[in-house]
Amino acid sequence: NAGVMQNPRHLVRRRGQEARLRCSPMKGHSHVYWYRQLPEEGLKFMVYLQKENIIDESGMPKERFSAEFPKEGPSILRIQQVVRGDSAAYFCASSPWGPGLSGNTIYFGEGSWLTVV
Amino acid sequence: QQQVKQSPQSLIVQKGGISIINCAYENTAFDYFPWYQQFPGKGPALLIAIRPDVSEKKEGRFTISFNKSAKQFSLHIMDSQPGDSATYFCAASKETSGSRLTFGEGTQLTVNP
Repeated sequence: NAGVMQNPRHLVRRRGQEARLRCSPMKGHSHVYWYRQLPEEGLKFMVYLQKENIIDESGMPKERFSAEFPKEGPSILRIQQVVRGDSAAYFCASSPWGPGLSGNTIYFGEGSWLTVV
Repeated sequence: QQQVKQSPQSLIVQKGGISIINCAYENTAFDYFPWYQQFPGKGPALLIAIRPDVSEKKEGRFTISFNKSAKQFSLHIMDSQPGDSATYFCAASKETSGSRLTFGEGTQLTVNP
């Protein structure tokens, strides 16, 4: 019973390059969330997606960041033209169902650590 | 109004002691309050969660106390063990909004043997 799978676990990019982070939710989960954790800080919500839909992207920076969750395949968080301030751990999480239902536990993956040099 | 404030930032406890971590929230619409445990280099793992219809929830050595009127909740770890040494995050969400979690800043717990 695999958990939330993220890859790559570690990624090094030079300033100006693109970073692509992938997330496969737990089996049976169709709701995906991305969070960012800066060093020595808590997790900050970025975006909430369902299959083929972005539900809430209020935590996403307006420029350079995008996310998708296609009908087939993993969810992708894409960061274009990375800068040093993008260095962080990016966590994907998934849940079995959406709003309004009790017991909607969110499970986190192991994270993808992005380092921009 | 979306903040969750957590204290202390770090905590050192002797083996067998009680670890207490506190959180306060502002948004009265929050209706789900989980605690997550995170080890270095790992993702947060759900430890225990509570909803505002109860004042306390216990699971093994972990207890959440919830004070709705004060908008505060706390995690108590009884008989703390060195293996409990980790960073603990409280969080809150409005389940009807899609379970977007607002996290506290974290507490780094060290349990000395």
